[in-house]
Amino acid sequence: GEDVEQSLFLSVREGDSSVINCTYTDSSSTYLYWYKQEPGAGLQLLTYIFSNMDMKQDQRLTVLLNKKDKHLSLRIADTQTGDSAIYFCAESSTGGYNKLIFGAGTRLAVHP
Amino acid sequence: GAVVSQHPSWVICKSGTSVKIECRSLDFQATTMFWYRQFPKQSLMLMATSNEGSKATYEQGVEKDKFLINHASLTLSTLTVTSAHPEDSSFYICSARRQKDTQYFGPGTRLTVL
Repeated sequence: GEDVEQSLFLSVREGDSSVINCTYTDSSSTYLYWYKQEPGAGLQLLTYIFSNMDMKQDQRLTVLLNKKDKHLSLRIADTQTGDSAIYFCAESSTGGYNKLIFGAGTRLAVHP
Repeated sequence: GAVVSQHPSWVICKSGTSVKIECRSLDFQATTMFWYRQFPKQSLMLMATSNEGSKATYEQGVEKDKFLINHASLTLSTLTVTSAHPEDSSFYICSARRQKDTQYFGPGTRLTVL
């Protein structure tokens, strides 16, 4: 079945870059997403990438997709304390119309 | 645009009572709404998908008689947890999708059953 895996925890120093990794198993995935969840809040869509793309950049965020290895990464440049949150990777094979399959989430801690 | 709200944001109830959670798309019409459940420090698990005017489609293992979903309009879906028990305590998150678009998530509702 479909599965999405992420490392559970990442700690970075303020100002450094953060790289959060994700692997997925569904070869029919056409959309891959990154969501951010702050404590006690819902999910905020950060960015998404189509499976026919290798890279997408949006201000401080860079998404890299290796479709062959089914590997997705999110790089946050110049990480700030406000970036501390849980980051979820999710995949969908129907453009989010139906099921989004989420990873367990990576908790990013930014320290001075 | 694409704002989704939930009400209430948190609720505490006694075991055996029923609790209704509302999910509203504030500035768009949602053809489909989704209900997720999130346990502490865990990921979101899809409970059910509801389309306006039709019965909800429940994921395997989700009791449809316990988690009643109503999607009466293009801007409102409700989740009713019937005869709630402490094991139903969780964070419930809804999302809404407008046609040919991605899902937009609500802020979540924390349910605590005593």
